[in-house]
Amino acid sequence: GEDVEQSLFLSVREGDSSVINCTYTDSSSTYLYWYKQEPGAGLQLLTYIFSNMDMKQDQRLTVLLNKKDKHLSLRIADTQTGDSAIYFCAEISSASKIIFGSGTRLSIRP
Amino acid sequence: DTAVSQTPKYLVTQMGNDKSIKCEQNLGHDTMYWYKQDSKKFLKIMFSYNNKELIINETVPNRFSPKSPDKAHLNLHINSLELGDSAVYFCASRPDGSNEQFFGPGTRLTVL
Repeated sequence: GEDVEQSLFLSVREGDSSVINCTYTDSSSTYLYWYKQEPGAGLQLLTYIFSNMDMKQDQRLTVLLNKKDKHLSLRIADTQTGDSAIYFCAEISSASKIIFGSGTRLSIRP
Repeated sequence: DTAVSQTPKYLVTQMGNDKSIKCEQNLGHDTMYWYKQDSKKFLKIMFSYNNKELIINETVPNRFSPKSPDKAHLNLHINSLELGDSAVYFCASRPDGSNEQFFGPGTRLTVL
């Protein structure tokens, strides 16, 4: 079946790198996404990666995709307090239906 | 200016009532969605419409009925509200030819 899994919490020190991990089950997924949800706000698309790519870098964000292990990760370099949010991993299923993970709550320690 | 808007932002109501949540997008997108986010922040798709036609209808109680008067609007009507319906409901839209979905700010529904 279709499933996306993430750990629920991550706490990092300000200035360190954050790595949020995700596993998915649908090997036919063509796109994989990272969404960010700030408190009280809607979802914002942070970045996405095509399934034929291994890595994508966008400023402080690095996405790594291991298609063999169906593992996706999001690395945030130099984590700031403004990065505090819930991060959702998502994959595209059939009919452009997005399957979301449960979200990882990232908190920043001073 | 808001691309995908939802009203109301907050909705508090009694069990058994009927309520509607409205969604509008001014992006000219062809496909619109409703998602439910439960208390554990897990997002599940409920419905998808493309040009006013129902495309995806997940296992959702019949009390939930989407209505799309035109392709810019997808409203969600809920009959006989139950405690378990309490959640944040997100509307989203997507243009044809793209997989990126644009989300509204969410409507927090609380059923007492």
